[in-house]
Amino acid sequence: EVQLVESGGGLVQPGGSLRLSCAASGFTFSSYWMSWVRQAPGKGLEWVANIKQDGSEKYYVDSVKGRFTISRDNAKNSLYLQMNSLRAEDTAVYYCARDPGGRKPDYWGQGTLVTVSS
Amino acid sequence: DIVMTQTPLSSPVTLGQPASISCRSSQSLVHSDGNTYLSWLQQRPGQPPRLLIYKISNRFSGVPDRFSGSGAGTDFTLKISRVEAEDVGVYYCMQATQFPVTFGPGTKVDIK
Repeated sequence: EVQLVESGGGLVQPGGSLRLSCAASGFTFSSYWMSWVRQAPGKGLEWVANIKQDGSEKYYVDSVKGRFTISRDNAKNSLYLQMNSLRAEDTAVYYCARDPGGRKPDYWGQGTLVTVSS
Repeated sequence: DIVMTQTPLSSPVTLGQPASISCRSSQSLVHSDGNTYLSWLQQRPGQPPRLLIYKISNRFSGVPDRFSGSGAGTDFTLKISRVEAEDVGVYYCMQATQFPVTFGPGTKVDIK
């Protein structure tokens, strides 16, 4: 059974940093693109970033470029999102998703809430 | 970036009756590889999103056959042949033909 479990969310002050993790199991992690998608409270879905199987390709939405970094550790079956210079508008539930080819997010975690507030 | 729009934004439906959601993209979603990366996702209240349909019309594993997708180019449709209570939620179209991936605003489906 495919399982994705996010962690690392919490309350952080504007300008602060946070590192999200996503632990994957039930599939060959190193064979799949992976993505982060977020959802602000009461709002729709916003794609944040994705990463190729070997980490050689990474793409970001403009609003996080230069502030967020997506990475992965295939030996640990884990996906990460390093978030720096956080802003109030980054407040959201962050989901990780398995994403074959970067084109079809087929399994999603339950999400982790990030709140940016003073 | 490709902008995705959906209509309607809210759809009260009667149990057992059909429902239809339209999605339009600001440019063609046909990729240079010949595929069209248009997906539909369902988000039930309090739940993460769930993939329903990918590449316009392919149902994902475990998705009931009352859900179907159609369309081409810039215009796409999700149909539910007979709405059931468990179908209540928000439905999003999503394009992954061009990065950044973009989602429609969502269509809320609830029971009349």
